[in-house]
Amino acid sequence: KAGVTQTPRYLIKTRGQQVTLSCSPISGHRSVSWYQQTPGQGLQFLFEYFSETQRNKGNFPGRFSGRQFSNSRSEMNVSTLELGDSALYLCASSLVPGQGVGYTFGSGTRLTVV
Amino acid sequence: QQQVKQSPQSLIVQKGGISIINCAYENTAFDYFPWYQQFPGKGPALLIAIRPDVSEKKEGRFTISFNKSAKQFSLHIMDSQPGDSATYFCAASRENTNAGKSTFGDGTTLTVKP
Repeated sequence: KAGVTQTPRYLIKTRGQQVTLSCSPISGHRSVSWYQQTPGQGLQFLFEYFSETQRNKGNFPGRFSGRQFSNSRSEMNVSTLELGDSALYLCASSLVPGQGVGYTFGSGTRLTVV
Repeated sequence: QQQVKQSPQSLIVQKGGISIINCAYENTAFDYFPWYQQFPGKGPALLIAIRPDVSEKKEGRFTISFNKSAKQFSLHIMDSQPGDSATYFCAASRENTNAGKSTFGDGTTLTVKP
């Protein structure tokens, strides 16, 4: 069974640009969560989607947004990129929300802002 | 406010030794405590998890010890192997609620020397 697929794997963007990352969850999983991973801050929760609705949001500025489609695929968007946005962005899927315990992570998208 | 504190930040163990990683949490509403293992270039993968109604859970060489009164839990890796070299994250979450997200520790980089 296919795992969580994140595309692209690597991205290099210039400060001020915007970027869109994609996540396809495991078939049958309807909840998608996004995390930012940096060496200094660890894994920081961005947001969680279920049935195309954002259920939870972490403490990130409004430049970070996301959405979920009817097929459970999710995208996250970062506008007006800053150097500090350089990180590994991880998507995690689970059958239903409220089950962080049942997370299956993708391999992430490595974003570098120059 | 960091709700899950993990130590040590890094750990070097000889092959065959015992690796011990500790975590402490603050929110007594947490009721599920998973550990994740992450290899370079990959997303975290669920390793083992425990609920607070038991004090210990063992799966192969991996054991979680849980102390509810102290709000602490730890991961023990017996007979550590070079293939165990990875970054380990503890996490805490609330199952079956609208809280959704997991709160992660900052991670421990384990190196097992042959």
